[in-house]
Parts: sequence; structure tokens; C-alpha cells
Amino acid sequence: DAGVIQSPRHEVTEMGQEVTLRCKPISGHNSLFWYRQTMMRGLELLIYFNNNVPIDDSGMPEDRFSAKMPNASFSTLKIQPSEPRDSAVYFCASRQGDSPLHFGNGTRLTVT
Amino acid sequence: AQSVAQPEDQVNVAEGNPLTVKCTYSVSGNPYLFWYVQYPNRGLQFLLKYITGDNLVKGSYGFEAEFNKSQTSFHLKKPSALVSDSALYFCAVRDTGQGNLIFGKGTKLSVKP
Repeated sequence: DAGVIQSPRHEVTEMGQEVTLRCKPISGHNSLFWYRQTMMRGLELLIYFNNNVPIDDSGMPEDRFSAKMPNASFSTLKIQPSEPRDSAVYFCASRQGDSPLHFGNGTRLTVT
Repeated sequence: AQSVAQPEDQVNVAEGNPLTVKCTYSVSGNPYLFWYVQYPNRGLQFLLKYITGDNLVKGSYGFEAEFNKSQTSFHLKKPSALVSDSALYFCAVRDTGQGNLIFGKGTKLSVKP
């Protein structure tokens, strides 16, 4: 079991650029979550999918953020255009049914 | 709305001493409560959960948590702390309406030799 795989681990980009974060959930898991972690706000749920369908995207900050899950083994979180306040660690997590969440190691995003 | 609170930003403990990391919750209905640990530059790792049953829940790495309904608390405990336990600890409650986890702000545990 390779766990939840996120790429890239680190991303540095300039304000205004498009950023795409990627996640491969654990095989067989049917729910996928995107969280954002900052010192000021802690862990915030951005969006989550169940069986590839978005269930709750109320945490997505604004229209600049979008997430997709085209199949059970891949999801993306896109920010366009990026802003310095988007700098954070973005985590993807997955689970099967009611099992505990398994987190990836995160993508540290820095927007200058 | 469901929520959890971790009243301490940091807890300092000497190695070998017992440790407690506090968490209180607010839920409508029966709570599903969790503890996760985060080491530097890593994602969160599941420690233990309470859904129903015994109020004392045992988890990974010798940790346990005590569910107290009257005090709406779910404190994390360990009888003898290790330096390697130093990390960030998160309490979480499952949103019964949506199924996602709502996390507390986290408590930094520092265990000194």
C-alpha cells in the first residue's frame, strides 16, 4: 500500500500563474478530501468527493479554486490565478466507507 | 454545527511523565471523535477514534483517549511520554450531516529528555 500520493511536494510560483495540485488516493477508497493547512486558520476542508462526485465544495475559497476527480484514482486541485494568500500546505486524504482518513504528505505551495 | 476545541496551543512534558492533550467537542447527536498526529513535513496520521462503547479508547503508539459525555471532552493521554511523541496533535469530529472531519486547531506536544 503506497498510501495517498500527492505531487508535487513543493511548488513555488508567481502571483497570477496557474497552479495544479495532484492526488492519487489509496486504491479502493471511495471518498477523497482536499484540505488546506495554514498557521492562521489551521486545517480547512476545501472539497470532498464520494464515488468521484463532489459532495461538498462550500470550503472552496472562491472561483479561482476548482477541483476535479475524473476517475477513482486521480484528483486535481487547480488555482487560477494564484495569489500570495493562497500560500499554504494542501493535503489530500482518502478513505473507504467509515474507515479513518488517510492523508498524503501534502503539497507546500508558495505564491510570491 | 459540530465543532471541537483544543484549548492549549502547546503542551510541554518531561520524558517518562504522563501526558494529556485536551479536546472538547460540540455536536448534535452522538459524537464520532478522532485523534490524529502530524510529524514535521508529513500528513496527518490516525491515532484512535470513539464511536460508541467503552469510554476509554486505546490507539496507536500507546496512546489512549477518554470520552466524557458530561464534560463533552475527549482528552488524549499516554502514561509515559517519549521524546519521539513530540508532534502536532489534532482532535476531530465527524460531521454527521456530511461525513467530513472537522479538525481542531491542533496542540503542539513537546517532550523533553
